[in-house]
This record gives sequence, C-alpha cells and structure tokens, in this order.
Amino acid sequence: GAGVSQTPSNKVTEKGKYVELRCDPISGHTALYWYRQSLGQGPEFLIYFQGTGAADDSGLPNDRFFAVRPEGSVSTLKIQRTERGDSAVYLCASSLSGVGREQYFGPGTRLTVT
Amino acid sequence: GNSVTQMEGPVTLSEEAFLTINCTYTATGYPSLFWYVQYPGEGLQLLLKATKADDKGSNKGFEATYRKETTSFHLEKGSVQVSDSAVYFCALDSGGSNYKLTFGKGTLLTVNP
Repeated sequence: GAGVSQTPSNKVTEKGKYVELRCDPISGHTALYWYRQSLGQGPEFLIYFQGTGAADDSGLPNDRFFAVRPEGSVSTLKIQRTERGDSAVYLCASSLSGVGREQYFGPGTRLTVT
Repeated sequence: GNSVTQMEGPVTLSEEAFLTINCTYTATGYPSLFWYVQYPGEGLQLLLKATKADDKGSNKGFEATYRKETTSFHLEKGSVQVSDSAVYFCALDSGGSNYKLTFGKGTLLTVNP
C-alpha cells in the first residue's frame, strides 16, 4: 500500500517568507508526528497529533511554527517569517496508536532558506 | 527529559566483519527502544525494536537487547555486508499516551568489499 508522502520534496525560499509543508499519512493511522532533522543530527520532535488535535506541541521552537490536521488525515506544517536557521529536512511520520508501534516515515521535505 | 547517546561515527568495516554500535539512554517510565536505518537516498525505516526489559529485537541479521540495568540497547551484527552501509539511529519513545521518538545523532556505517 501507499506509504507516507510529503510535498514538496524540496523547497527554497527567501528569508522572511511563509512556507507550508504537507504530509499525507498512511490511511487509518491516527497518530501523526512532525520531526526536523538538521545536517549530521538525528530527527528532533516538533509536534504530535492524535486524530485532529495537537496532543503535544512542545517541540515547536517558537510561535512562527504552527501545524494543523483538520480532518484527522493530511497535516500541514506552517512556518511564518522564515529564518536561515529553519533550513533542515522536515520529516513526517504516522502510526497506529499503542505500545511500541512503528512510526512510518515519509521521505521528508528539504527546506532551504536563503 | 529523555535522551539517547549513540556511538560516534563514522564506522568503516570490511565485509564479513563483526559490528557493534553502542547506544545508551536516559528515560523516565518504561520506554520502547528502536533502531532505525537510513540507506543512501532513502527515508528512515525501522530496523528492529524491543518494548520491555530483556527483550531482544532482531531483523536482517541485526540484533539488540533491551538492558534496563545498564540502560543500553547496543546494535550488533555478526557479519556485515556492503549493502548494510547506511546511517543507523538509536531511538526511544516516551511511553504513556504519546509515543514521540527521541533519537541519537546517528552513526554512519561504511562497509568495504
């Protein structure tokens, strides 16, 4: 079946611009996660959705970052007034809920802020 | 908070050599432990997992045992292949009702023929 998809695969934007990154999870997966991976580092947690609600947004670095999942499926990560430090690969993962459930990762969106 | 400390890389081995990548963790509660792998040009994928103390996860010849007494989850393989060349990430989840993952920094493994 289809895995997690993310669009766009690459995004180049100028400092100060607004960007939206999209994630299509595996059908039926109620849990959705966003992570950010900087070069040479492991992914870092940003936000977790259970259904439509953001159950944990403690990883969002500041109020320029926001994410939604209005119908409990597709999610959009929104970044306002982008900064060069926001450049990274943004990963989305989805899973069923429960102990030790595997998170299935998308290919990521590489964001470059110039 | 939770954290994962992973053996620094890069690691370079010859084919058929024995592999160990060390991973230790700090966590509250009872996390599940994971090894994820990222092959060149591909996304992260689960290699193996263990959900409770003394469990052994295994897949594709790789093994790791959940050691609560030493807070470790070291990855081992008896005979590596060129196709095992990849970045390996140790991770734990936070348990409870939120299974967000905390990752180590990753270890780049290169296997030469």
